[in-house]
Amino acid sequence: SQQGEEDPQALSIQEGENATMNCSYKTSINNLQWYRQNSGRGLVHLILIRSNEREKHSGRLRVTLDTSKKSSSLLITASRAADTASYFCATPGFAGNNRKLIWGLGTSLAVNP
Amino acid sequence: GAVVSQHPSRVICKSGTSVKIECRSLDFQATTMFWYRQFPKKSLMLMATSNEGSKATYEQGVEKDKFLINHASLTLSTLTVTSAHPEDSSFYICSARGAGQGAMYFGPGTRLTVT
Repeated sequence: SQQGEEDPQALSIQEGENATMNCSYKTSINNLQWYRQNSGRGLVHLILIRSNEREKHSGRLRVTLDTSKKSSSLLITASRAADTASYFCATPGFAGNNRKLIWGLGTSLAVNP
Repeated sequence: GAVVSQHPSRVICKSGTSVKIECRSLDFQATTMFWYRQFPKKSLMLMATSNEGSKATYEQGVEKDKFLINHASLTLSTLTVTSAHPEDSSFYICSARGAGQGAMYFGPGTRLTVT
């Protein structure tokens, strides 16, 4: 089954630096989503980029999508300690007749003050 | 945004007992709910998909008799881990989606520890 893969798996940076995480996927998609998970907590939806979009911004987040390479990147600019979390990409799939999300392995981001 | 709650947030139980975890959509009708399991520092593993009023669809390798899912109403789904064993210790997360909605909302997760 399709599975997104993020790299790097772990990233440690200093506050104020930019953090870039990448995600690759295997099949054709109509959108790709990024989520954030604080340690031991649920997931929060960050941003959705559609297959006909190449770049999307939301605050300090910038997401790119390259459907020819089946990859996406999430850039967090001017990082803060509060950005410390795991970040996952997810793409649509199907479980029987139900739409589901196919999850990447995640990138663990540590922003050091 | 929409809110999904889970209860309990943490539970410790003895081996051989059963544990029920509730997932509720608080401000929308969740026609579809998903149950995930997550191991430490790992991604989410989809266990099953449930539609209100029908049987859950389980992912390959997930024992339906061990992980009982009931989606009895449009705001509540329950996951019961039957005859729990230490290897069932994990973080369980539910998500919910309303009819015609693309967005999926996640609960805060339940940490299950089986001793």
